[in-house]
Amino acid sequence: QKEVEQDPGPLSVPEGAIVSLNCTYSNSAFQYFMWYRQYSRKGPELLMYTYSSGNKEDGRFTAQVDKSSKYISLFIRDSQPSDSATYLCAMGRDYKLSFGAGTTVTVRA
Amino acid sequence: SQTIHQWPATLVQPVGSPLSLECTVEGTSNPNLYWYRQAAGRGLQLLFYSVGIGQISSEVPQNLSASRPQDRQFILSSKKLLLSDSGFYLCAWTVDRVSTDTQYFGPGTRLTVL
Repeated sequence: QKEVEQDPGPLSVPEGAIVSLNCTYSNSAFQYFMWYRQYSRKGPELLMYTYSSGNKEDGRFTAQVDKSSKYISLFIRDSQPSDSATYLCAMGRDYKLSFGAGTTVTVRA
Repeated sequence: SQTIHQWPATLVQPVGSPLSLECTVEGTSNPNLYWYRQAAGRGLQLLFYSVGIGQISSEVPQNLSASRPQDRQFILSSKKLLLSDSGFYLCAWTVDRVSTDTQYFGPGTRLTVL
């Protein structure tokens, strides 16, 4: 069983829709949780990070963590074509991160 | 501000040839440094990490090695490339050795081994 499971998609939504992305994990020792966005042929860029269960909002992005269920989510409201990318979840402890496989999202204009 | 450089951006090498990829970070001191590989359609696989000059930890037994000759320089090497070494190689860093949770990535090197 992989430490981090992420549905690879692909996911295609119309512009303005809410995008919902999820990851599950098996290692209860993970201390912090992140979402990265990666455009084609580029390095990942950090979108959101959080340490605790609950919601964290930043503009159109909301990260949700449920440690009891070992489940994290990222929601993108009012999605734009510029949000088309691969989204990677990552979980960390002791200065190392474990990544999901990434979900490819396409927002149709 | 901090920036990270990786070169070359793309590389095509024959099987059995050597490899040297370089990563440098500017605007920070004492960062943790990481090398990842990303195969097509797959997540990031941690290859090596370093918490200081000359300190290298290997995560996956393989055909590659890493070195950190200076505080802000991280090098990935191979003596003889294999076909399976093809992929997108990413260098990452943390701001310093205290803020070690958040990793920032460089632009990557796309390696094709033929």
